[in-house]
Amino acid sequence: GQNIDQPTEMTATEGAIVQINCTYQTSGFNGLFWYQQHAGEAPTFLSYNVLDGLEEKGRFSSFLSRSKGYSYLLLKELQMKDSASYLCAVRGGDYKLSFGAGTTVTVRA
Amino acid sequence: IAGITQAPTSQILAAGRRMTLRCTQDMRHNAMYWYRQDLGLGLRLIHYSNTAGTTGKGEVPDGYSVSRANTDDFPLTLASAVPSQTSVYFCASSDGEVDEQFFGPGTRLTVL
Repeated sequence: GQNIDQPTEMTATEGAIVQINCTYQTSGFNGLFWYQQHAGEAPTFLSYNVLDGLEEKGRFSSFLSRSKGYSYLLLKELQMKDSASYLCAVRGGDYKLSFGAGTTVTVRA
Repeated sequence: IAGITQAPTSQILAAGRRMTLRCTQDMRHNAMYWYRQDLGLGLRLIHYSNTAGTTGKGEVPDGYSVSRANTDDFPLTLASAVPSQTSVYFCASSDGEVDEQFFGPGTRLTVL
């Protein structure tokens, strides 16, 4: 089976940095995805890691350590529009995605 | 159409009724998926199709069926709805198994 853990909620101030951690135990590994989901909307793709290290894309960065079963999503220069749920998803040996329950980030002025 | 569309947007259904959720994509993606999203549980895969004419079972397939007669459409059918099927249903597609998935806007289904 698949086990993917991430914190339920995080709160941060506008302009600050927030790091969302994700740990996983899966049957096989073929990459890790981060999705953003605003309330009442569809998830949208943010980042993808398949090799160890940091992937940077503007204000968002994602890190992966396969040996530790660990990833994080780093959101810099937080804006109010970043208030959303962030979903960690692992592609297992069967090439299907397993999702964590999501981390709700609230950005306060 | 641009991307993935789902219909209906929301539906209230009596238990025991049959219901088909529709999903259409215009990106010519080979793979399509159906997920349900429940509070505290995240997205769970119901059924998938790697290419037209083939389907497979996901993590929570019981009570649901799918078909993939062509590339664009991937309907999800609840043969006899039960209250535990109350959820938000998302359809998604990807060019291949190794590619990112694009999600439709979702269908909010309530079974009473």
